[in-house]
Amino acid sequence: EPEVTQTPSHQVTQMGQEVILRCVPISNHLYFYWYRQILGQKVEFLVSFYNNEISEKSEIFDDQFSVERPDGSNFTLKIRSTKLEDSAMYFCANRRTAASYEQYFGPGTRLTVT
Amino acid sequence: GESVGLHLPTLSVQEGDNSIINCAYSNSASDYFIWYKQESGKGPQFIIDIRSNMDKRQGQRVTVLLNKTVKHLSLQIAATQPGDSAVYFCAENIEMNTGFQKLVFGTGTRLLVSP
Repeated sequence: EPEVTQTPSHQVTQMGQEVILRCVPISNHLYFYWYRQILGQKVEFLVSFYNNEISEKSEIFDDQFSVERPDGSNFTLKIRSTKLEDSAMYFCANRRTAASYEQYFGPGTRLTVT
Repeated sequence: GESVGLHLPTLSVQEGDNSIINCAYSNSASDYFIWYKQESGKGPQFIIDIRSNMDKRQGQRVTVLLNKTVKHLSLQIAATQPGDSAVYFCAENIEMNTGFQKLVFGTGTRLLVSP
C-alpha cells in the first residue's frame, strides 16, 4: 500500500536558522497539507496546497513559512527563521481527490529548535 | 467557531474489554468525521470515518457512532488488545471559505490496554 514519507525524521536546528522539511506524497493524490503537533497537544492545520498553489492557510502559517513542490513530486515546508516555539512534530498529509475526504498522513518530522 | 474536543484524556481498560472513546464537536455544518490512531512517534493513522448522513458505521472491531443532535461522536473498539494502546483523535472535516477542506482535530484520548 502506498505511503506518505517524510524526511528527516528528526531535525535539530538553532533559533534563527532556516529548515526545510520534505514530504513525498502518494503519487496520484492531488491535495496536500501540512499539520503540526506541539508535544502533548492536538494536531493543528497549517496549510493546504492544490494545483501548485496555497489554497488555505492558518494563522500559524505566517511569513516565515512557505511551501512548494519543487519537482512536481516532493512537497516541502520551509521555515525561514526558526523560533523556539516552532519546535513540534510536522506532518504532511495528502488526499486523493475532491470527493475523497480521507487524508493520509506521513510519519512526521520532529523539529527541535534550540 | 470550530472546535473538536474529547471528554476523557486517558482511558485504561483490560485486554478483551470493549472501549468507548468520546468526542464532542461544535461545527454543525461538518459533513465528515474521522477517527485516527496515533502511536508514539508516528503520524495519525486512519481508523474509520463517517459521513454526516449516517449515524453508525462499522469496521473490523471498530464502530463509529454519530449523534448530530448533540454533536457527539464515539469510537467503540471491541475486544480491545494491547496493540490498540495509542492516542485516539477525532477529526472533523471543515470546508473553508475557499471551498477547500481541512481537518480540525480534537485533543486526543490516550487508550491504555493492560494484558
